[in-house]
Amino acid sequence: EPEVTQTPSHQVTQMGQEVILRCVPISNHLYFYWYRQILGQKVEFLVSFYNNEISEKSEIFDDQFSVERPDGSNFTLKIRSTKLEDSAMYFCASNRRGETNEQFFGPGTRLTVL
Amino acid sequence: QKEVEQDPGPLSVPEGAIVSLNCTYSNSAFQYFMWYRQYSRKGPELLMYTYSSGNKEDGRFTAQVDKSSKYISLFIRDSQPSDSATYLCAMSSLNTGGFKTIFGAGTRLFVKA
Repeated sequence: EPEVTQTPSHQVTQMGQEVILRCVPISNHLYFYWYRQILGQKVEFLVSFYNNEISEKSEIFDDQFSVERPDGSNFTLKIRSTKLEDSAMYFCASNRRGETNEQFFGPGTRLTVL
Repeated sequence: QKEVEQDPGPLSVPEGAIVSLNCTYSNSAFQYFMWYRQYSRKGPELLMYTYSSGNKEDGRFTAQVDKSSKYISLFIRDSQPSDSATYLCAMSSLNTGGFKTIFGAGTRLFVKA
């Protein structure tokens, strides 16, 4: 069964460094998302991406964040200058069609900012 | 008022019990309602998906949506220890470029053997 994959599973970085989190969505899916979950808290929407552009973003997704679909398979989240409060699980999700919202999530990348 | 409210629990039940989980919401524009299961430090796994009001059944799971009351439920029949996890309700409205999905805080469920 196809699934969303994410790499790395765990990323440790120093405050102020740039990180890139990578996702491979399910191959015939058209809508892509990033969410984050701070330890012990709820899953929070960051951004949605469709047709090679951001369709919606939350207030969390400030100028430090960017997303890209550099080729036909990868979807990346870049954090330009990490802060301690960026430490969280980051989940990528995708769904196939615009008529339904059956989003499938990847296993997540645990980002630790020291 | 929070957009989505969900009792975090924990909820502890004996094996075989019927479990009832629920969420309330405030945004009447929500049309898509989901339940996800999440194990510790894992990604959410889609369990049930419902569009608009009504019931949906899948095996031991039944999802109900009451849009007039802004209330959704998930019922688990014949609960098993393997059902022990955090259950997240989630909902969204349709935008042209996808679905900004809002999650509840999650209810931790423990099913005791």
